[in-house]
Amino acid sequence: KNQVEQSPQSLIILEGKNCTLQCNYTVSPFSNLRWYKQDTGRGPVSLTIMTFSENTKSNGRYTATLDADTKQSSLHITASQLSDSASYICVVSRAGSYQLTFGKGTKLSVIP
Amino acid sequence: DTEVTQTPKHLVMGMTNKKSLKCEQHMGHRAMYWYKQKAKKPPELMFVYSYEKLSINESVPSRFSPECPNSSLLNLHLHALQPEDSALYLCASSQTWTGGEQYFGPGTRLTVT
Repeated sequence: KNQVEQSPQSLIILEGKNCTLQCNYTVSPFSNLRWYKQDTGRGPVSLTIMTFSENTKSNGRYTATLDADTKQSSLHITASQLSDSASYICVVSRAGSYQLTFGKGTKLSVIP
Repeated sequence: DTEVTQTPKHLVMGMTNKKSLKCEQHMGHRAMYWYKQKAKKPPELMFVYSYEKLSINESVPSRFSPECPNSSLLNLHLHALQPEDSALYLCASSQTWTGGEQYFGPGTRLTVT
């Protein structure tokens, strides 16, 4: 069964601190993995998209890693800001398919 | 332009009303999608349009009726909805329906009273 598991479910960190979110997947055949940021009541915004051959991709303070062998990905946020408070969703797509498998997200709260 | 726009942002409707949600993209994408997202849940796929034709209907009740007037526009017509249909409705688009990154719109927050 195609699944995406994220951890932790929620996280509270102090402003300025770093954090790492985890994503494990069983989707096969694998096409790509995306990390989205979603503010409450708003549509998801893409942070990174990684294919099989990519190990690391950065977008400003966001750095995603992918280990296609172990089917694990992480999203590292450096120097967190209050505006980083949101849900971060890991989404995996199957090769040749329209279907996306969504994780349940990690709800991040950055506090002053 | 990598933007998908949706209108309205918020919609409150009664169970006997008829309303429509609109989605637009100008990225030349030939696949467009409707998703429904309940609070604290991941989005659930409703419909997929490919080259302006309905390709996938994920067993959505007939009170939801999609329409794709042209390659840039996607509508979702609503009629006789139930309170449990209250949710965030997301539109997305991609180059084709078998691959490529899906770009999401900001969503329409629908409340059925």
